[in-house]
Amino acid sequence: RKEVEQDPGPFNVPEGATVAFNCTYSNSASQSFFWYRQDCRKEPKLLMSVYSSGNEDGRFTAQLNRASQYISLLIRDSKLSDSATYLCVVSWGGRDDKIIFGKGTRLHILP
Amino acid sequence: DAGVIQSPRHEVTEMGQEVTLRCKPISGHDYLFWYRQTMMRGLELLIYFNNNVPIDDSGMPEDRFSAKMPNASFSTLKIQPSEPRDSAVYFCASSSPSGYTDTQYFGPGTRLTVL
Repeated sequence: RKEVEQDPGPFNVPEGATVAFNCTYSNSASQSFFWYRQDCRKEPKLLMSVYSSGNEDGRFTAQLNRASQYISLLIRDSKLSDSATYLCVVSWGGRDDKIIFGKGTRLHILP
Repeated sequence: DAGVIQSPRHEVTEMGQEVTLRCKPISGHDYLFWYRQTMMRGLELLIYFNNNVPIDDSGMPEDRFSAKMPNASFSTLKIQPSEPRDSAVYFCASSSPSGYTDTQYFGPGTRLTVL
């Protein structure tokens, strides 16, 4: 099983729709979780951290399911400007600390 | 703040040549990361530094790659000799003293093409 796995997409979604991505991880000792956004030919930028209790930022909701080892990102009322690649990031500290980026899920919002 | 600065933005070189990529982290950030991104492999961590000291270089592909951080405001990634399979976008990122797992701020990347 890959350390961090995402559906590469692309997800083609009409403007205004709701879309959800999942990301699975293999290391049960993972401690920190993030979603990054990467626009075409640009650098990744932090979208939001993912907390155990789940968290919301405007139209974006992130959730963590430790039992099933996945995180999710929900985008409501999608905008054309949401078109991007969304990278799942998982990290753990300690002696074998590591940070792993998923390969990303491509999202296209259609007018 | 100017953000993370990388140079050059684009580099085209021939196989066998030496390539040096440069990075200036955000002032006050104690962690600096070098990544490589390709379509096939996605974003891979090559090496990271804490307070100018290399902590984990297990992602460095082979001896042809080396990285240094002589001071808190400058780091280099060197490939010698370069090969066509090194073609990729190389990102530098830095994060605050809050820790290794804190938000990372990426530079614009260096797009490397080795012919």
